[in-house]
Amino acid sequence: SQQGEEDPQALSIQEGENATMNCSYKTSINNLQWYRQNSGRGLVHLILIRSNEREKHSGRLRVTLDTSKKSSSLLITASRAADTASYFCATDASWNNNDMRFGAGTRLTVKP
Amino acid sequence: NAGVTQTPKFQVLKTGQSMTLQCAQDMNHEYMSWYRQDPGMGLRLIHYSVGAGITDQGEVPNGYNVSRSTTEDFPLRLLSAAPSQTSVYFCASGKRDAFFGQGTRLTVV
Repeated sequence: SQQGEEDPQALSIQEGENATMNCSYKTSINNLQWYRQNSGRGLVHLILIRSNEREKHSGRLRVTLDTSKKSSSLLITASRAADTASYFCATDASWNNNDMRFGAGTRLTVKP
Repeated sequence: NAGVTQTPKFQVLKTGQSMTLQCAQDMNHEYMSWYRQDPGMGLRLIHYSVGAGITDQGEVPNGYNVSRSTTEDFPLRLLSAAPSQTSVYFCASGKRDAFFGQGTRLTVV
């Protein structure tokens, strides 16, 4: 079974709008990461947030983590057409931090 | 500056054939892993390695073997290909801030 589940499955917005994607997971974690995948390509790491952190920023990305709700959100501000991609969260369980599990992803489309 | 090199990019196999997917990294990472990606399923962990000589099973290991004789290489072997193994396979290097290969699109007929 997958550790992370993203919501929504698909999101379509206009350029300049903000995009918010959510990730829920099932067990206690050490870290949560977000990755981007452009169509037909490998995944690219975006940001990592540790279990003792609540919020983290990187450029136009903002990630929050709520360990009490076992959930995280990824906010992309002022979206661009180039942000069109699938976004995945990945978690490593606290009982085995070598086993990194991914969710099914959110497909983001940014219309110019 | 190659990062993760994964070969081949495309492969068609007949049921029962065997093959090896190659993965090499030049970042001196101890941790490497293999995933398969199926539509609507995200990525599922097949096997991983925390260093040369050490491998372990992930979520979906059946039908696959791995070995790690060097830090750089982490090949994935399909022992007897089945149509259920039709998928896109990704090799990754590193655990925090993992680097992914470009993928192998495998079709088993």
